[in-house]
Amino acid sequence: EVQLVESGGNLVQPGGSLRLSCAASGFTFSTYSMTWVRQAPGKGLEWVANIRYDGNEKYYVDSVKGRFTISRDDAKNSMFLQMNSLRVEDTAVYYCARLCGSGGNWYSTFDFWGQGTLVTVSS
Amino acid sequence: DIQLTQSPSFLSASVGDRVTITCRASQGISSHLVWYQQKPGKAPKLLIDAASTLQSGVPSRFSGSGSGTEFTLTISSLQPEDFATYYCQQRTRYPITFGQGTRLEIK
Repeated sequence: EVQLVESGGNLVQPGGSLRLSCAASGFTFSTYSMTWVRQAPGKGLEWVANIRYDGNEKYYVDSVKGRFTISRDDAKNSMFLQMNSLRVEDTAVYYCARLCGSGGNWYSTFDFWGQGTLVTVSS
Repeated sequence: DIQLTQSPSFLSASVGDRVTITCRASQGISSHLVWYQQKPGKAPKLLIDAASTLQSGVPSRFSGSGSGTEFTLTISSLQPEDFATYYCQQRTRYPITFGQGTRLEIK
């Protein structure tokens, strides 16, 4: 059974940093590309970043470029989101999800999602 | 960026009704359109990929159609468990974008 479990969400002050983790199980993590999607309270879904299965390609929404870094550790079956220079508008539930297709056949349809972790940026 | 506009944003319907949600893209996206269902406090669930491909385990009362710039999600006969928020998403090019959502509530 595919499982994704996010952790690391917390209350942080504007300008602060936070590192989110996504622990994966139930599939061969190293062959799947992964994503972070966020949802501000009472709002819709916003894609944040993708990382290719081999870690060699990363994509970001403009609003987080230069502040957030997506990474992965296949030995630990985990993905991460390092968030720096946090802003009030980054407040959201952050979901990790798996992209469809393994290896070079990946595409940005998100077939399995974690339960999310809440990041609150407030003074 | 490719903008996705869903209509309606809110829909009130009864069990057994047939409902259709529309997603319009600001530019052509071929069939690279995905539909998700989200219930309160839960993660989104993948329903339909490539505009019309029903995911395994999704009831056949759900269907999707369209290509280019206009897409629809249809639920043929609403069941109590279908009351949720539905999102479309395009995967043609970065940044990946979602529609604003359609909240489906019980009349």
